[in-house]
Amino acid sequence: QKEVEQNSGPLSVPEGAIASLNCTYSDRGSQSFFWYRQYSGKSPELIMSIYSNGDKEDGRFTAQLNKASQYVSLLIRDSQPSDSATYLCAVAYTGFQKLVFGTGTRLLVSP
Amino acid sequence: EPEVTQTPSHQVTQMGQEVILRCVPISNHLYFYWYRQILGQKVEFLVSFYNNEISEKSEIFDDQFSVERPDGSNFTLKIRSTKLEDSAMYFCASRGTGDQPQHFGDGTRLSIL
Repeated sequence: QKEVEQNSGPLSVPEGAIASLNCTYSDRGSQSFFWYRQYSGKSPELIMSIYSNGDKEDGRFTAQLNKASQYVSLLIRDSQPSDSATYLCAVAYTGFQKLVFGTGTRLLVSP
Repeated sequence: EPEVTQTPSHQVTQMGQEVILRCVPISNHLYFYWYRQILGQKVEFLVSFYNNEISEKSEIFDDQFSVERPDGSNFTLKIRSTKLEDSAMYFCASRGTGDQPQHFGDGTRLSIL
């Protein structure tokens, strides 16, 4: 059974701080890793994708992957109230790349 | 920017009725997916579709469910005889080749009465 684990939160940070979101996965055959943002009642919106060990930066977002530890994280620098949402970690497997999602971490950024 | 579109945004149906959810994937994408999210729960994979056939399906995707790509643009999910527990948000997603990420539509909220 392929599992993706996330702390459900909420994670509360003040505006301007760094938010750190974490995710672990169970299957070493995992190939691709994604962070999606989901506002309440809306669809998942792709934030970052990462495929190899190390860091990947895109604007205020940095994704980190450690395949040996089966761990992927997302850092959000200079957090804004508009970043308040649920962040979904998703893992794709070889083949047709179905996504297995974690339960999501709810982030609250206070002004 | 190209996007996945889904219709209707909200569907209310009586239990036992058939429902068809519609999706128009991004035009040059080759892989298509349906997911569902019951209120307060995680997003769950239902089915993937490639080259005009189902490539993978989950345990949720039983004989009551079917998918079809009736023409070059639409991708549909049919539930033959809806149950109360089918009430959920249904998301369509598509992606291009290789490891390209999946892009999601806005979803259809299905309410079974």
